[in-house]
Amino acid sequence: NAGVTQTPKFRVLKTGQSMTLLCAQDMNHEYMYWYRQDPGMGLRLIHYSVGEGTTAKGEVPDGYNVSRLKKQNFLLGLESAAPSQTSVYFCASGGRALQETQYFGPGTRLLVL
Amino acid sequence: GQSLEQPSEVTAVEGAIVQINCTYQTSGFYGLSWYQQHDGGAPTFLSYNALDGLEETGRFSSFLSRSDSYGYLLLQELQMKDSASYFCAVRVNTGFQKLVFGTGTRLLVSP
Repeated sequence: NAGVTQTPKFRVLKTGQSMTLLCAQDMNHEYMYWYRQDPGMGLRLIHYSVGEGTTAKGEVPDGYNVSRLKKQNFLLGLESAAPSQTSVYFCASGGRALQETQYFGPGTRLLVL
Repeated sequence: GQSLEQPSEVTAVEGAIVQINCTYQTSGFYGLSWYQQHDGGAPTFLSYNALDGLEETGRFSSFLSRSDSYGYLLLQELQMKDSASYFCAVRVNTGFQKLVFGTGTRLLVSP
């Protein structure tokens, strides 16, 4: 039981490049989330999903897209990376019954030059 | 919108007791969660209060006063391994139940 895993752990991009961050969970959770964490700003919700095939915008969705084609996977895409997207990205999952408890992946550190 | 306030940093010594406060302004409030995050690590769930009062889990306790829009995390018998950042998060319903996180309190425990 791996919990929540994220790929890659670290990535350096040049401005304008694209990439996809992969999140996978093996807890059969309905809900999945993508957050970004910047120094002094806590965790901010980018996008979330309440089930396979559904996605919705969070607090800071601009510049990102997501897809949830399978229940266990949640992908975060950056179509044209900008330096402002330099951050640590965390994926989380949770069940419908205990929505106050989210299980986080180890994070992806992204540097955009 | 939602806003949460917590101190940016707290220091304490091993064996001591420390309280981390969190005040919030929000609509659609369901409850208050606490998460711990060590440097370079992922946030992990500590506790949740939906009702007023104190919840105890080992050395950690969490309190909520809905009428005061206030809660705190109490850490007893501090250990060096408790040095971490602690985030309060409100569970809110804005069409979808989600967590809104505070900016975190960095706890430094010294020998």
